[in-house]
Amino acid sequence: DVKVTQSSRYLVKRTGEKVFLECVQDMDHENMFWYRQDPGLGLRLIYFSYDVKMKEKGDIPEGYSVSREKKERFSLILESASTNQTSMYLCASSSIAGRETQYFGPGTRLLVL
Amino acid sequence: AQKITQTQPGMFVQEKEAVTLDCTYDTSDQSYGLFWYKQPSSGEMIFLIYQGSYDEQNATEGRYSLNFQKARKSANLVISASQLGDSAMYFCAMRDALSGANNLFFGTGTRLTVIP
Repeated sequence: DVKVTQSSRYLVKRTGEKVFLECVQDMDHENMFWYRQDPGLGLRLIYFSYDVKMKEKGDIPEGYSVSREKKERFSLILESASTNQTSMYLCASSSIAGRETQYFGPGTRLLVL
Repeated sequence: AQKITQTQPGMFVQEKEAVTLDCTYDTSDQSYGLFWYKQPSSGEMIFLIYQGSYDEQNATEGRYSLNFQKARKSANLVISASQLGDSAMYFCAMRDALSGANNLFFGTGTRLTVIP
């Protein structure tokens, strides 16, 4: 079974703090993704990566950066957290096969005070 | 324009009844894939079912089936014999060749509540 894990289920941070969200997958997937989920807006793509050290902006990259130094790990970084970044963050991974779905981690609920 | 539209913010269904969750999509690509995910209150997104644009048969997975109407650009999820554990958010998503790297576009979701 595919397993995608995220470093924290719940996180509380203060405005201006630097925040790291870690995601690890164990299926040797090439692609990894970071989404944020807000009520009424569904999932919106922040960044994705299709290979080590490669990254591409998604729909809402402002205020975020990412790092992929190893194939299995994809980190989301909030350089200076703001209250409007309070959200649910979901990591996903997939292979490059055509019919392959994305597999999601359990999510991190981030509260920025 | 929205790539995926789910017009039902919330739905109720009686236990053991069937329910249809609507999804319409928009793409100019001929090759695309449609997905449905379930998100319980725990937060994890669970993959339910997949339909490829060239698949001739509607996809089925146990109690889940996808009513794929290509000309109407709709991909409705049908859940038969609803169970209390089906209460969750349901998201429709699409991947097309234009998006690259297997990116998915998600709808805003439908919250399904199963009534005992």
